[in-house]
Amino acid sequence: GAVVSQHPSRVICKSGTSVKIECRSLDFQATTMFWYRQFPKKSLMLMATSNEGSKATYEQGVEKDKFLINHASLTLSTLTVTSAHPEDSSFYICSARGTSGSSSYEQYFGPGTRLTVT
Amino acid sequence: GNSVTQMEGPVTLSEEAFLTINCTYTATGYPSLFWYVQYPGEGLQLLLKATKADDKGSNKGFEATYRKETTSFHLEKGSVQVSDSAVYFCALSDVYGGATNKLIFGTGTLLAVQP
Repeated sequence: GAVVSQHPSRVICKSGTSVKIECRSLDFQATTMFWYRQFPKKSLMLMATSNEGSKATYEQGVEKDKFLINHASLTLSTLTVTSAHPEDSSFYICSARGTSGSSSYEQYFGPGTRLTVT
Repeated sequence: GNSVTQMEGPVTLSEEAFLTINCTYTATGYPSLFWYVQYPGEGLQLLLKATKADDKGSNKGFEATYRKETTSFHLEKGSVQVSDSAVYFCALSDVYGGATNKLIFGTGTLLAVQP
C-alpha cells in the first residue's frame, strides 16, 4: 500500500515552453503533497507544500509564478514549470501524506521526474 | 537553520561486511530523524526513524540511534547484502500531531555491495 506515482518519468522540452508533472497517490487519499527538487550530487530541497483545495505554500527563494502547483483532488497534484529554461533542468520528486489517524500518515515518495530543458 | 550532513559516497563493500554511514544534524528544538533508501529506478522509501533522544530505529537489519549529545544518527548494518545496494538519505523533520512536516535531507550516500 501507499504507492505514489509520477508522470512522466522523463521529459525533454525546449526553452520557453511549459511542462506539467503529475503526482498521484494510487491507493490512499493524500491531503498534503510535497514537491522536492534534487540537483546532481545534492540533497533534495523542498520547493512547496500543497494541501488539497488550497493554495500551495512555497519555500523561500522558489518562484511561485514559475512553478505552478495545483492540488485539486485528494489523489492528484500537478507541478507546472512555466517558460522553462535550461537552469530548470533537474530531478523533481513529489511525496504524499495521507489523512490524520490513517495508516498513510507519513510521507510516501514518488519515483521522480527527470526534466531536461534544451 | 536546520541542516543534515552525511558522509559522501560511494561506499563500496563486499557482501557480509559491516556498514556505517555517518549522519550528523543541526537543529533547533527536538526534531525527528529518518533514514530513507532509494533503490535504482524507485522512489524514496522510509527505512527507519527515531522521534526522540536515545531512541533506536531499526528495520531490515539496519539500525540507527538518535544521539542528542553528539547530534548524530549514524546508520549501521552488521552484514550487508548485494540487495542493499542503493542510495541512503538521512533527514530530519519537525513532527506535529504525528505528521511529518518539512523534511530536510542530507546529500545521500551511494552504497554498492559487491558479491
